[in-house]
Amino acid sequence: EAGVVQSPRYKIIEKKQPVAFWCNPISGHNTLYWYRQNLGQGPELLIRYENEEAVDDSQLPKDRFSAERLKGVDSTLKIQPAELGDSAVYLCASSLDRDYGRTQYFGPGTRLLVL
Amino acid sequence: AQSVAQPEDQVNVAEGNPLTVKCTYSVSGNPYLFWYVQYPNRGLQFLLKYITGDNLVKGSYGFEAEFNKSQTSVHLKKPSALVSDSALYFCAVRATGANNLFFGTGTRLTVIP
Repeated sequence: EAGVVQSPRYKIIEKKQPVAFWCNPISGHNTLYWYRQNLGQGPELLIRYENEEAVDDSQLPKDRFSAERLKGVDSTLKIQPAELGDSAVYLCASSLDRDYGRTQYFGPGTRLLVL
Repeated sequence: AQSVAQPEDQVNVAEGNPLTVKCTYSVSGNPYLFWYVQYPNRGLQFLLKYITGDNLVKGSYGFEAEFNKSQTSVHLKKPSALVSDSALYFCAVRATGANNLFFGTGTRLTVIP
């Protein structure tokens, strides 16, 4: 079974430029999460989708961040414009509702460097 | 409110010795507890979870976790450490009925040959 797929793996951009990250969850997983992981820290949730609906986006900086999950499968996270402080690893995870405990499975992440 | 504490930023252990990575948590109600491992430039890999039942839970790669309700702890253990176990370990908690995971700040484990 394929795991969570993310692309690109690395991205270097200049500040004020836009950037987008793509995630394809494990097949059949209805819940998708985007996290940001700063250096030396644990992941912090940005947004959670149940199917195509964003059910928790309270930690998403909505002035510059946006996300979508069309058709309830893959998802895109966008930053426009990027700031220096956005440099981090962006992780995507997915889980299955009927899994007891709703274990989250993570992709390899996209490492973003904003110059 | 939910929170997780990993009191040790760094744990060093000699190869072949037992290892313990500590985690305490705070959550309303019964917790769902998870351990993940992160290798350099990789995402988090699921090791094990504690939901209910026996206080000792077995996971991947020979790891196990010991849950202690009175101490609100779930320490990660392995009887005999391997050099390849060297990585960053994260503890996470989710309250029953809640949807989101809260992660600790991680503990870097170094196994010395």
